[in-house]
Amino acid sequence: AQKITQTQPGMFVQEKEAVTLDCTYDTSDPSYGLFWYKQPSSGEMIFLIYQGSYDQQNATEGRYSLNFQKARKSANLVISASQLGDSAMYFCAMRLNRDDKIIFGKGTRLHILP
Amino acid sequence: DVKVTQSSRYLVKRTGEKVFLECVQDMDHENMFWYRQDPGLGLRLIYFSYDVKMKEKGDIPEGYSVSREKKERFSLILESASTNQTSMYLCASMSGRASYNEQFFGPGTRLTVL
Repeated sequence: AQKITQTQPGMFVQEKEAVTLDCTYDTSDPSYGLFWYKQPSSGEMIFLIYQGSYDQQNATEGRYSLNFQKARKSANLVISASQLGDSAMYFCAMRLNRDDKIIFGKGTRLHILP
Repeated sequence: DVKVTQSSRYLVKRTGEKVFLECVQDMDHENMFWYRQDPGLGLRLIYFSYDVKMKEKGDIPEGYSVSREKKERFSLILESASTNQTSMYLCASMSGRASYNEQFFGPGTRLTVL
């Protein structure tokens, strides 16, 4: 069965520092996609970044990058130069190419300190 | 601007009541999803629909049913609400089957069952 594991329930980081949020996944399918979502206190889920299992390069979107290590089944989110507005819950998720469902991890609550 | 709307942000119901949660998307997406979100458990899939009048059970369908009579609308029904269904409910929609397609989320409905 497919599974997403986020081992950090909460993190505190000083403003302007870089942040790495951990995500490991488990699947025997060779073809899948990995996602990161941000959920601020207001509740809406915001899509941040996507990485395909066959992508050769790590995905980047502005201050967000995905450190994809396929052999280790790891898809860590890196936020550079953190800002107070980055304080939120972050979810890692996976979707198999043969499936419509997305599986979510339990999330990491990130607190950025001024 | 793409949009997923949910009928209520906050809802308070009594045990045994029938509860309807409505979700509407304006993106002509084929796929729609209902999740519940509880602290420490992440997002858990209740039901999803990949076409009008089609539905599939997710991971926790017990106590819930769904209806999709029109492409843009996906309803979650609690036939007889119970206190353990107090939760945040998130609706999402997604286009097609490509693995890179992200889900777009509504703002959520925080349901309290007394």
